Amino acid sequence: EPEVTQTPSHQVTQMGQEVILRCVPISNHLYFYWYRQILGQKVEFLVSFYNNEISEKSEIFDDQFSVERPDGSNFTLKIRSTKLEDSAMYFCASSQGPSGGGETQYFGPGTRLLVL
Amino acid sequence: AQSVTQLGSHVSVSEGALVLLRCNYSSSVPPYLFWYVQYPNQGLQLLLKYTTGATLVKGINGFEAEFKKSETSFHLTKPSAHMSDAAEYFCAVSINYKLSFGAGTTVTVRA
Repeated sequence: EPEVTQTPSHQVTQMGQEVILRCVPISNHLYFYWYRQILGQKVEFLVSFYNNEISEKSEIFDDQFSVERPDGSNFTLKIRSTKLEDSAMYFCASSQGPSGGGETQYFGPGTRLLVL
Repeated sequence: AQSVTQLGSHVSVSEGALVLLRCNYSSSVPPYLFWYVQYPNQGLQLLLKYTTGATLVKGINGFEAEFKKSETSFHLTKPSAHMSDAAEYFCAVSINYKLSFGAGTTVTVRA
């Protein structure tokens, strides 16, 4: 069964460093998403991406964050200068159609980011 | 704005007992509603979803949920809990290009 994969599973970085989280969505999906879950809190939407551009972003997704689909398979989230409060589990998801149409989003296993 | 509220952050049930997890939504338009499960150290897995049509939705692992417009609810049930049901459960509503999640309910199952 096709699945969303994410690398790395864990990442430890120093405050102020850049990190890139990588995701390989399901191959025939067209919509891509990033969410995060701070320990003990709810899953929060960060950004959605379709047709090589951002469809929607949350207030969390400020200028420190960027997303890219560098090739036909990868989808990346870059944090330019990490802060302590960026420590969280980051989930990638993908769907065939838009979420607003009731399409299912399929989630990856997550990358746990720890900023020291 | 569309949102969901999960009542009860933690539910403890005996093995074989009914599991009932509560979710209420607020939406100005007919909502698309989802239940996801997160097992320890894993990602989110879809249990079931409601889009249109039948209001009683059956999902994986014996779970089902009923969409009740009059009560703005989408509660998740399973008639008989199994030890493997121990996990965190999230209700979510689909809005445009994103999912908005509830705070989650952790289920523990007692032998």
